[in-house]
Amino acid sequence: SAVISQKPSRDICQRGTSLTIQCQVDSQVTMMFWYRQQPGQSLTLIATANQGSEATYESGFVIDKFPISRPNLTFSTLTVSNMSPEDSSIYLCSVESFGYGYTFGSGTRLTVV
Amino acid sequence: AQTVTQSQPEMSVQEAETVTLSCTYDTSESDYYLFWYKQPPSRQMILVIRQEAYKQQNATENRFSVNFQKAAKSFSLKISDSQLGDAAMYFCAYRSTNYGGSQGNLIFGKGTKLSVKP
Repeated sequence: SAVISQKPSRDICQRGTSLTIQCQVDSQVTMMFWYRQQPGQSLTLIATANQGSEATYESGFVIDKFPISRPNLTFSTLTVSNMSPEDSSIYLCSVESFGYGYTFGSGTRLTVV
Repeated sequence: AQTVTQSQPEMSVQEAETVTLSCTYDTSESDYYLFWYKQPPSRQMILVIRQEAYKQQNATENRFSVNFQKAAKSFSLKISDSQLGDAAMYFCAYRSTNYGGSQGNLIFGKGTKLSVKP
């Protein structure tokens, strides 16, 4: 299965600022997925990032708030923009490993104060 | 749209005993994948077991096994000989076999928090 390096692992940010989360995969993958996990909740898909095209956002998530970069087949970033305390969550990236399932990054715990 | 339901917010089991976590799902597709993921306090999502819908045989991985009832759209996880390290949130997830857009992503249930008593 693929191995994902996600960083930062955690951050505390001031409201109104932005944070960029990075995910590096040790193999080339077509799609990368970004999830949000609010405190005590399940995972909700934010968007799917394909290399060379615009990310596909789920209902309730917009590009201006969560811009995504996918410059190549092994790397992606998610930015949480103009943050408010409601953005305090765990953010995870994920890729599918053929014949195995999905591998997740270790998550970024974001606290907005 | 597909949905995944985990009706047990919390479960508890005695160490060395067996526990079963429930999961039901709703879909109109005939072929799909089902997963159980474990998320300990470290928040790392760990794949426990996967099942292809076209396979009638229930998947097993050491102490973990599933009871896959396709007609009933049920996918329960059985943990045998429970260990303290099994304590975690367990998520049931569904994946369509369709590709394109966001169809390749996982749809998660709300999770079941499993406690293991020594």
